[in-house]
Amino acid sequence: QSALTQPPSASGSPGQSVTISCTGSGDDVGGYTSVSWYQQHPGKAPKLLIYEVTKRPSGVPDRFSGSKSGNTATLTVSGLQAEDEADYYCSSYAGSDFFELFGGGTRLTVL
Amino acid sequence: EVQLLQSGPEVKKPGESLKISCKISGYPFEDYGIVWVRQLPGKGLEWMAIIYPADSDIRYGPSFRGQVTVSDDKSLSTAYLQWSSLKASDSGTYYCARDDTSAFDVWGQGTVVTVSS
Repeated sequence: QSALTQPPSASGSPGQSVTISCTGSGDDVGGYTSVSWYQQHPGKAPKLLIYEVTKRPSGVPDRFSGSKSGNTATLTVSGLQAEDEADYYCSSYAGSDFFELFGGGTRLTVL
Repeated sequence: EVQLLQSGPEVKKPGESLKISCKISGYPFEDYGIVWVRQLPGKGLEWMAIIYPADSDIRYGPSFRGQVTVSDDKSLSTAYLQWSSLKASDSGTYYCARDDTSAFDVWGQGTVVTVSS
């Protein structure tokens, strides 16, 4: 089972909205509600942004939102800010053989 | 405050063994699984394994089965990741994180492992 598919890059201007997709299969993204998104700034540990497709941990701004349709999950970042420039990774539970898969990551650039 | 504190950077030669640690504080060690995640230089995140301290059940990702060993010491609230014979291709940053039903909500700071002759 391969990593989940994300676009390598995305960009937007401050204040704009950006979406990042995460495509898997019925054996992972499409089959479970355990889809999460992580933000990673250079040299730092990842940070949980979204879990169970749409939920935000305490302290994560509501500018970050998640959704899913079929085998594709989507992260939306609204009202882009300079500090949103980072790498973003999706992950999904993939059953008892593979357990958890990550996407390849998307580098978000704030123009 | 929930914290995962990882051991410091390591420089090793190919063929050497290594054990890195992840010490948990701020919550009961047995209440959550601990995952290990690899990040090779300039690359993405890879899920390696999970250990459930409550019953010491361990699961490995297919790429890592037989390559690493995960363990824990409940008396020290610490999880471990070890290699018996390192390769240059093992060089990277290794993170531990708390698993809350497939959401990794608290992460360690990462341990950088360098394997070079």
